[in-house]
Amino acid sequence: SQKIEQNSEALNIQEGKTATLTCNYTNYSPAYLQWYRQDPGRGPVFLLLIRENEKEKRKERLKVTFDTTLKRSLFHITASQPADSATYLCALDMSDGQNFVFGPGTRLSVLP
Amino acid sequence: NAGVTQTPKFQVLKTGQSMTLQCAQDMNHEYMSWYRQDPGMGLRLIHYSVGAGITDQGEVPNGYNVSRSTTEDFPLRLLSAAPSQTSVYFCASRHALANTDTQYFGPGTRLTVL
Repeated sequence: SQKIEQNSEALNIQEGKTATLTCNYTNYSPAYLQWYRQDPGRGPVFLLLIRENEKEKRKERLKVTFDTTLKRSLFHITASQPADSATYLCALDMSDGQNFVFGPGTRLSVLP
Repeated sequence: NAGVTQTPKFQVLKTGQSMTLQCAQDMNHEYMSWYRQDPGMGLRLIHYSVGAGITDQGEVPNGYNVSRSTTEDFPLRLLSAAPSQTSVYFCASRHALANTDTQYFGPGTRLTVL
């Protein structure tokens, strides 16, 4: 079965810097990969989807890359703000193409 | 649109009790699913449904039942609660094309089994 690792349980950065979060997977390469944001006590909120034939996707201050050779996705938040503090989850489509397997998440804290 | 709604928000059960977690969506999504989230672990899929009358098992289905009699509702039943089922439960929905559409999550139900 697919195993997903996210670089660290927690990441602290200074306001204004770029936050970089990593999602590594071990088995088959998914057809697509998603990133979600989750605030305490709330459900995950979808941010970005990237397909296996896309190297990079951007949305405002967010950028996602997808390297199927390294089996890794990077999630960047540029010009980070304290409001970006949350847990970020990556999710990969499972081999059935219908469901997702989620990583454990990285808790990002942006310090003022 | 209310999106995905879940009730109750919190629940405490004793071992052996049964209960139903409710989930509803008003976006006419074909696909609905139930996840549980435990500390240090990702969301794990319990059951899912690709449409009314169709359900299937996910990664951790034991101890849970589901049914899908309408497009809007997808209740999750705990048959005989166990302490190992203490978790936060999330319901999610999306359109059928998983690779093109957002998955929407409800606010979650925090369940404690004593």
